[in-house]
Amino acid sequence: DAGVTQSPTHLIKTRGQQVTLRCSPKSGHDTVSWYQQALGQGPQFIFQYYEEEERQRGNFPDRFSGHQFPNYSSELNVNALLLGDSALYLCASSFRYQETQYFGPGTRLLVL
Amino acid sequence: GENVEQHPSTLSVQEGDSAVIKCTYSDSASNYFPWYKQELGKGPQLIIDIRSNVGEKKDQRIAVTLNKTAKHFSLHITETQPEDSAVYFCAASRGGGADGLTFGKGTHLIIQP
Repeated sequence: DAGVTQSPTHLIKTRGQQVTLRCSPKSGHDTVSWYQQALGQGPQFIFQYYEEEERQRGNFPDRFSGHQFPNYSSELNVNALLLGDSALYLCASSFRYQETQYFGPGTRLLVL
Repeated sequence: GENVEQHPSTLSVQEGDSAVIKCTYSDSASNYFPWYKQELGKGPQLIIDIRSNVGEKKDQRIAVTLNKTAKHFSLHITETQPEDSAVYFCAASRGGGADGLTFGKGTHLIIQP
């Protein structure tokens, strides 16, 4: 049973650039949530996608956007990168409106 | 919005002893409380969760207790083993699925041999 997968594992960008991160949910799941985890902190909720729509959003600026595809996979896009965007970006999947979320290994983004 | 406080930030116990991590939350509407274990270089792994209609839940050496009146919940690990060493996070949400998790800042659990 395939778990949540994310790509790439690591990424280095410079300030002002744009980045796209990808996530495939656990088999049988249809809901994807994205989180940002700064070093030494707990994950912070960015947004959640279900039925290809953004259903809920945390306290993140519009520079953070996303997309969900018909196969339930998802992308996180960040525009105009800032040094403070350096973090581990985690994707979590769940089934419908069940609360239980399973996380992927994350993508570590470094902004120079 | 919801705020989750977690204590302690670091906990060192002897192998075989018990470990207890405590969390408090602020939103009385929260009704789902999961615990995650995160090892170095990996994503968080769900180890146990509890819903507000239950006061306690146990799974082998791990147990979670919930006090809704006081708005706090705790993780108990008994007979600790070296592989229990990791960072543990508590979280809370209003449930219903369409709601992001609010996490605590984490507890670094160190098991001393």
